[in-house]
Amino acid sequence: DTEVTQTPKHLVMGMTNKKSLKCEQHMGHRAMYWYKQKAKKPPELMFVYSYEKLSINESVPSRFSPECPNSSLLNLHLHALQPEDSALYLCASSQDEQGQDTDTQYFGPGTRLTVL
Amino acid sequence: AQTVTQSQPEMSVQEAETVTLSCTYDTSESNYYLFWYKQPPSRQMILVIRQEAYKQQNATENRFSVNFQKAAKSFSLKISDSQLGDTAMYFCAFMNRDDKIIFGKGTRLHILP
Repeated sequence: DTEVTQTPKHLVMGMTNKKSLKCEQHMGHRAMYWYKQKAKKPPELMFVYSYEKLSINESVPSRFSPECPNSSLLNLHLHALQPEDSALYLCASSQDEQGQDTDTQYFGPGTRLTVL
Repeated sequence: AQTVTQSQPEMSVQEAETVTLSCTYDTSESNYYLFWYKQPPSRQMILVIRQEAYKQQNATENRFSVNFQKAAKSFSLKISDSQLGDTAMYFCAFMNRDDKIIFGKGTRLHILP
């Protein structure tokens, strides 16, 4: 099973709203990622968590706040976003606990975010 | 800096034909991983095939195979007996030692009935 789930599928929010995106995996993976993808562009890395600790922050604005409550769950808290933040937000995971297939990232279906 | 280049922004082929998507990359590392991901209109990013740089043998997954030329830093994807469901954006990707993926700009592939 190589399933990564993301909720919600779609989200519309105003610039003053606070919302959260959720990502979950039950593959025993120890690394989880947030990507932002604009239309017709490749995904851009935002954050990486490894063993529940933030290991990479690609200079993302503070209006995006990641959280990793446990090894299966990754959240992205959103506050005071701008219209240009509208995009597809993808979550991915990798690093099987048994050391198999450690390099491959498996992606979720994404959350389509629209900021009004 | 590591880069991934996909020189074909868009391609169209007839169903059942064979198509090759090109990808070149630049790195000074000797050990790394290469991937092809597929993103259909449903937007889910799906792993198509992976290649470990230290392996000489080209990876194969059913109708999908790669031509990995390490010296030339080339990693092309061949799709045999193409099907309508292969219509998608295809991203070539390189993973460095920091486990960060660097994506190419993508090739939009249309399979025509």
